[in-house]
Amino acid sequence: SQQGEEDPQALSIQEGENATMNCSYKTSINNLQWYRQNSGRGLVHLILIRSNEREKHSGRLRVTLDTSKKSSSLLITASRAADTASYFCATEIAGANSKLTFGKGITLSVRP
Amino acid sequence: NAGVTQTPKFRVLKTGQSMTLLCAQDMNHEYMYWYRQDPGMGLRLIHYSVGEGTTAKGEVPDGYNVSRLKKQNFLLGLESAAPSQTSVYFCASSYSPWLAGSQNIQYFGAGTRLSVL
Repeated sequence: SQQGEEDPQALSIQEGENATMNCSYKTSINNLQWYRQNSGRGLVHLILIRSNEREKHSGRLRVTLDTSKKSSSLLITASRAADTASYFCATEIAGANSKLTFGKGITLSVRP
Repeated sequence: NAGVTQTPKFRVLKTGQSMTLLCAQDMNHEYMYWYRQDPGMGLRLIHYSVGEGTTAKGEVPDGYNVSRLKKQNFLLGLESAAPSQTSVYFCASSYSPWLAGSQNIQYFGAGTRLSVL
């Protein structure tokens, strides 16, 4: 079974709009991370939030974590065409410090 | 810095052939990983290594072997390729999470596209 499940599977928005992506997980975690993958490329780390944190910001990115609901959201504000990519959440399960479990990803399309 | 380099970038094999995928990192990372990415499946961990000379199985290890003879290199081998191993393979590396101030942020290579006919 999948530890991290992203929602929606695909998202299409207009440039300038905000994009919100969600991730739910099943077991206790040390941290939750978001990665981006451009077409034909490897994954690139975007932001990490620890289990004792509720919100973090990095530039146009805002991530929240609700450990009681076992869910996280990634908000990209003022989206650009260059934000078009797949986005993955990854969880470091508590007690499994050497590994991350990735979700299936969200495909974001930003229309110019 | 080159970061994480994977070779080759593309490969086509016939069923039953063998091959080795090479991953090299120049960031002095302790931990290295091999994933496969299939449509609709996300990334699945094949094998990983927490240090030179050590390897461990991930979620989908069958049909693959690995070796970590040098800290900077992590090799993934397919002894007898099968069509089910057609996939995009990614290598990643990270600092040890036990290192003070470290977090398990992984750095990925550009991937190897493998087709097994």
